[in-house]
Amino acid sequence: AQKVTQAQTEISVVEKEDVTLDCVYETRDTTYYLFWYKQPPSGELVFLIRRNSFDEQNEISGRYSWNFQKSTSSFNFTITASQVVDSAVYFCALSEALAAGNKLTFGGGTRVLVKP
Amino acid sequence: NAGVTQTPKFQVLKTGQSMTLQCAQDMNHEYMSWYRQDPGMGLRLIHYSVGAGITDQGEVPNGYNVSRSTTEDFPLRLLSAAPSQTSVYFCASSRPGDNTGELFFGEGSRLTVL
Repeated sequence: AQKVTQAQTEISVVEKEDVTLDCVYETRDTTYYLFWYKQPPSGELVFLIRRNSFDEQNEISGRYSWNFQKSTSSFNFTITASQVVDSAVYFCALSEALAAGNKLTFGGGTRVLVKP
Repeated sequence: NAGVTQTPKFQVLKTGQSMTLQCAQDMNHEYMSWYRQDPGMGLRLIHYSVGAGITDQGEVPNGYNVSRSTTEDFPLRLLSAAPSQTSVYFCASSRPGDNTGELFFGEGSRLTVL
């Protein structure tokens, strides 16, 4: 069975601080996808990134960066120079690459509060 | 382009009542699914479908029914609502073989069972 653990339930920072969200996963599959979704206070789910298990390159998109380490089964997410608009719940998720349905296993989420 | 549309957005039920959460997508996606979101537990898969006429159970299917008669629609039925089904429900759709594997989510339906 797959499992995704986000040990941090809530993180509070002051604007312009960096914040790193941890994600640890368990799977028996050799081929899988990892995702991060953002859920702002308005409630919708916003896709941020997908990473497949073959690609361990780190990725940077503006103030967002992701560190995928297969050896430690981790897919951490860093927000650099945080802004109030980054306040949201962030979910890490996992799916089997070869299974039909694009079914996701989600972590419990980390609530990020950025104070001005 | 409406994407994934869920109705209703809010609903209050009494224990034992039945209702259907509607989900429609206009992107011609073959895959559709229902998740429930509860505090601290993230989203959990209820049921999913890989095409019209095909459905299967997810992690938490008990108390819910689905059907998929068309590609566009994937309703979720609660036959006899229980307080444990108080949650926020999300419908999602996606394409098979999509290079991103991204799910497109509806805006969610908040259900309260008294």
